[in-house]
Amino acid sequence: GAVVSQHPSRVICKSGTSVKIECRSLDFQATTMFWYRQFPKQSLMLMATSNEGSKATYEQGVEKDKFLINHASLTLSTLTVTSAHPEDSSFYICSAPRTGRENIQYFGAGTRLSVL
Amino acid sequence: LAKTTQPISMDSYEGQEVNITCSHNNIATNDYITWYQQFPSQGPRFIIQGYKTKVTNEVASLFIPADRKSSTLSLPRVSLSDTAVYYCLVTEGNTGKLIFGQGTTLQVKP
Repeated sequence: GAVVSQHPSRVICKSGTSVKIECRSLDFQATTMFWYRQFPKQSLMLMATSNEGSKATYEQGVEKDKFLINHASLTLSTLTVTSAHPEDSSFYICSAPRTGRENIQYFGAGTRLSVL
Repeated sequence: LAKTTQPISMDSYEGQEVNITCSHNNIATNDYITWYQQFPSQGPRFIIQGYKTKVTNEVASLFIPADRKSSTLSLPRVSLSDTAVYYCLVTEGNTGKLIFGQGTTLQVKP
């Protein structure tokens, strides 16, 4: 079964609204989680590293004020796309390394965001 | 993080063995080699991981030569459901950070 749960699986919203995506680790704690974005027929692009109890670390070129990350607990990280615009439409995926196997990532099922 | 290079696409037929080779010339001593599978509109799924020599699990084998500058994912007797994108990644031992390359799109034909 899934060890990382991501919700919602699909979001359709109007331009200018904010969208929150949740990523939960199931039956294990994750002090670190990762957020990726994937455009059609392209590879995953790492956006940021979510750290429990501290600020997220963003990859170069990713706007931290646009993509707000909160690691509220050891099992939950959220990504909020603020004031979404059509160019933010993409497939967003989170991952977490399982405790004791930090070099293996377990991925959520992804969230398809469509901004109208 | 070491960069990986793998073929963009491969075709195969049902029942055949498929080998996908990945090069990672700059792999560091602490790095592991990990392969993931991704179906459309799904998150990647862990397939196999190795450090050196050969690793086998219920779905695949991973061959890593002594110099560790390349690795080969072997999928025995593929089926149509193995059609997917396969990513080869070099992962740091401690950080868990992954940088995805372009992956190999495997198309299995009947």
